[in-house]
Amino acid sequence: AQSVTQLDSHVSVSEGTPVLLRCNYSSSYSPSLFWYVQHPNKGLQLLLKYTSAATLVKGINGFEAEFKKSETSFHLTKPSAHMSDAAEYFCVVIGTYKYIFGTGTRLKVLA
Amino acid sequence: GAVVSQHPSWVICKSGTSVKIECRSLDFQATTMFWYRQFPKQSLMLMATSNEGSKATYEQGVEKDKFLINHASLTLSTLTVTSAHPEDSSFYICSARRLAGTYEQYFGPGTRLTVT
Repeated sequence: AQSVTQLDSHVSVSEGTPVLLRCNYSSSYSPSLFWYVQHPNKGLQLLLKYTSAATLVKGINGFEAEFKKSETSFHLTKPSAHMSDAAEYFCVVIGTYKYIFGTGTRLKVLA
Repeated sequence: GAVVSQHPSWVICKSGTSVKIECRSLDFQATTMFWYRQFPKQSLMLMATSNEGSKATYEQGVEKDKFLINHASLTLSTLTVTSAHPEDSSFYICSARRLAGTYEQYFGPGTRLTVT
C-alpha cells in the first residue's frame, strides 16, 4: 500500500532563509508524488508533481523537490522563505487513483 | 485551465436541517469527483468518490445516508448533508479529475459548514 510520512508537523524559519519540508514515501511501485499548499480557509494549490520523469522537480513560487528513490524521500525546498509562504503543506502519493495525504506541515515564517 | 468552484463558500445552518454544497468544474469535464472533509489543523479525509452517472463510493466509516452525493453531469457534483448536527461542522473540499485513467485532481476552494 502507498503512504507518505511528513516528518515535521511544524517548521519555523526566518524570512530570507532556506525552507526544508520533509516527506518520505512508501510505494510498491514507481510513485507519483505531489506537494500542495493550503492557506487558511482556502483550497489546495499544486506546488509541483513528480511523475517518473526528472528527479529534480521545479514548481511554482520558487519551490522545488527532489525524488530520491534510495532514500524514499521527496523533500520540498525553497532557497529563501517569504512571509507569504506561511501556510500548511501537504505531501501526497497516488494510491489506486486516490490521493493519499500526509498529515501536513505547518510552515511559519518569522520576520 | 482546470478550475473547480464550490458554492457556497460558507454556510451556517441549524441543527436538523439539510444543506447542499455544489462542486463545479468550470473549464473541463470531470468524469470523477472527490469529496473531502477537513477538521481544524488536520489533513484531508476522503469521504467519497463519485463518477458521473453512477452511485458514489463511500470510504469506510462515512455514512452514505447522511452525506448524499450526486454526480448528475460531467461538470457538477453535489454533497448534501442531511439532518446536520454540530459535529458535522467542518471544512468540505471537493476535487475533480479530468479523464478516466488519469490521476491528477484539481481542488475547489472549500466550503465552511457551521451547524448551530
